[in-house]
Amino acid sequence: RKEVEQDPGPFNVPEGATVAFNCTYSNSASQSFFWYRQDCRKEPKLLMSVYSSGNEDGRFTAQLNRASQYISLLIRDSKLSDSATYLCVVNIWAGSYQLTFGKGTKLSVIP
Amino acid sequence: NAGVTQTPKFQVLKTGQSMTLQCAQDMNHNSMYWYRQDPGMGLRLIYYSASEGTTDKGEVPNGYNVSRLNKREFSLRLESAAPSQTSVYFCASSEAARGALTDTQYFGPGTRLTVL
Repeated sequence: RKEVEQDPGPFNVPEGATVAFNCTYSNSASQSFFWYRQDCRKEPKLLMSVYSSGNEDGRFTAQLNRASQYISLLIRDSKLSDSATYLCVVNIWAGSYQLTFGKGTKLSVIP
Repeated sequence: NAGVTQTPKFQVLKTGQSMTLQCAQDMNHNSMYWYRQDPGMGLRLIYYSASEGTTDKGEVPNGYNVSRLNKREFSLRLESAAPSQTSVYFCASSEAARGALTDTQYFGPGTRLTVL
């Protein structure tokens, strides 16, 4: 089982739609979780950290379900500028804690 | 603020050639990283440096060497480039130690390397 798994998409949604991405992780001892955003041909940038039961930042909500070992990212009222790849990042134990990146979920918001 | 800078932005090498990718950060971070990103593979850690003078291998270190020259700079060297090293290379830095709860990493703009 891969350590951090994401649906690669692409998710094609109209402007104004609500879209949700899921990410599953393999290590139940993982302690910190992040969503990064990566625009085409650009570097990854931190979108949100998820430390406890969830985070909300404007139109973005991240949820953590420790029992089922997944985190989710919900984007409400999608904008064209939300088009990007969203990377799920988890602190995985492999002798020591190490950040492990998912392969990303591509979102295209269509006019 | 410059953040994390990388040079060059693009490079084409022939098999067997060598080159050094440069990275610098101005955020006074202790931890620095080198990753490669390939289609369908996600980001994979090549090397990590916890502080000046210390380096550790990551997931895919073969074919690479690194040097943490000082707190600001962390370079990646390909001694004899191979086509399998064609990739996008990202440098990152973090205030926290690797794997810490607050290990938020800041990335440079990347170097697109093609090895023919």
